[in-house]
Amino acid sequence: QVQLVQSGAEVKKPGASVKVSCKASGYTFTSYGISWVRQAPGQGLEWMGWISTYNGDTYYVQKFQGRVTMTTDTSTSTAYMELRSLGSDDTAVYYCAKAGYGKLYWFDPWGQGTLVTVSS
Amino acid sequence: DIQMTQSPSSVSASVGDRVTITCRASQGMSYWLAWYQQKPGKAPKLLIYAASSLQSGVPSRFSGSGSGTDFTLTISSLQPEDVATYYCQQAHSFPLAFGGGTKVEIK
Repeated sequence: QVQLVQSGAEVKKPGASVKVSCKASGYTFTSYGISWVRQAPGQGLEWMGWISTYNGDTYYVQKFQGRVTMTTDTSTSTAYMELRSLGSDDTAVYYCAKAGYGKLYWFDPWGQGTLVTVSS
Repeated sequence: DIQMTQSPSSVSASVGDRVTITCRASQGMSYWLAWYQQKPGKAPKLLIYAASSLQSGVPSRFSGSGSGTDFTLTISSLQPEDVATYYCQQAHSFPLAFGGGTKVEIK
């Protein structure tokens, strides 16, 4: 079955970086883009950006530009999201999600989520 | 950028009731809208895409309608397992965006 499995929880100090992985299985990885979405504790969903698994094109939400990098490794069907210069307001659950075919930007399925805690 | 406004922010209804959630976009986006269900501690799950298409495996009591700027998610007969937060998402153009969420509870 189609599945996205994310890396485990992380605890980081302010100013540090975190890199979350998302391993896909059950489908042709390079045929569907991947988006990253985060959810702060008790808050709603916040879309961070998208990466084409076909050619590596990216789109980052402006508030994250300069601080986020999304990449893929097609040899292992894995997507990565690195966020730098972490602050306490980056504490959240980070999700990867498989987009639809082509320019269909709804997401199914989602990874199980990775809790990133930023604390001194 | 397209902004999404959901209402109400929460709703409490009895089992068997009809529940309606609305989502308004700040500009027209045809049918490029999705709805998700998120249960506590779980990842969101796609319910509806293209405004009114039911995702495979989703119970038929869920339905979506609308186009342009105004969209609706309806649960025709609320069940205990439907307790969750529901989000709309515009899929028309980057940057994509979610509505603020609607928490559905049983009265």
